[in-house]
Amino acid sequence: DAGVIQSPRHEVTEMGQEVTLRCKPISGHNSLFWYRQTMMRGLELLIYFNNNVPIDDSGMPEDRFSAKMPNASFSTLKIQPSEPRDSAVYFCASSSGLGTGELFFGEGSRLTVL
Amino acid sequence: AQSVTQLGSHVSVSEGALVLLRCNYSSSVPPYLFWYVQYPNQGLQLLLKYTSAATLVKGINGFEAEFKKSETSFHLTKPSAHMRDAAEYFCAVSANQAGTALIFGKGTTLSVSS
Repeated sequence: DAGVIQSPRHEVTEMGQEVTLRCKPISGHNSLFWYRQTMMRGLELLIYFNNNVPIDDSGMPEDRFSAKMPNASFSTLKIQPSEPRDSAVYFCASSSGLGTGELFFGEGSRLTVL
Repeated sequence: AQSVTQLGSHVSVSEGALVLLRCNYSSSVPPYLFWYVQYPNQGLQLLLKYTSAATLVKGINGFEAEFKKSETSFHLTKPSAHMRDAAEYFCAVSANQAGTALIFGKGTTLSVSS
């Protein structure tokens, strides 16, 4: 089975530009999570969805960040406008919502904002 | 609320030596606890998990961890380190409820020398 698929794997953009990161969760999983990883802060939870509904977005740093999950097989994380301090690796993860809540991670999207 | 503290951001061992990575947790409800491993430029993958069954949990690649409620600890061990174990290791906690987010520690980088 395919794992969590993220795109793009790498993105380099200039300050002020809009960035959209995409995620396809594992088929059948009904929980989806966005995390950000930096050297300074480690892995931070940004937002997560259950059954396409945002449950907790308290980790979203600013209004410049937004996330959507229009259907069970697709989610986006958008940054508009982007700033250099947004440079990080953004991970998407999904879980089945049953059992022990193990998360399955994608390979991440490395964002560099110049 | 849940949190984890990983003691030591960097651990160095010789090949064949014991590996001990420390994790203490805080949780207002009985927790689920996880250890994940991250190799360079990859996503996180699950090593092992504690879900209120056996307190000694065995995972992949010869790793194991013991849940000690009295010490609020979930330390990760491996009797004999291999060069391929060099990676970053993350401890994580969640409420014992599927569909909730994992809260991660800052991570511990394991170096293995020959």
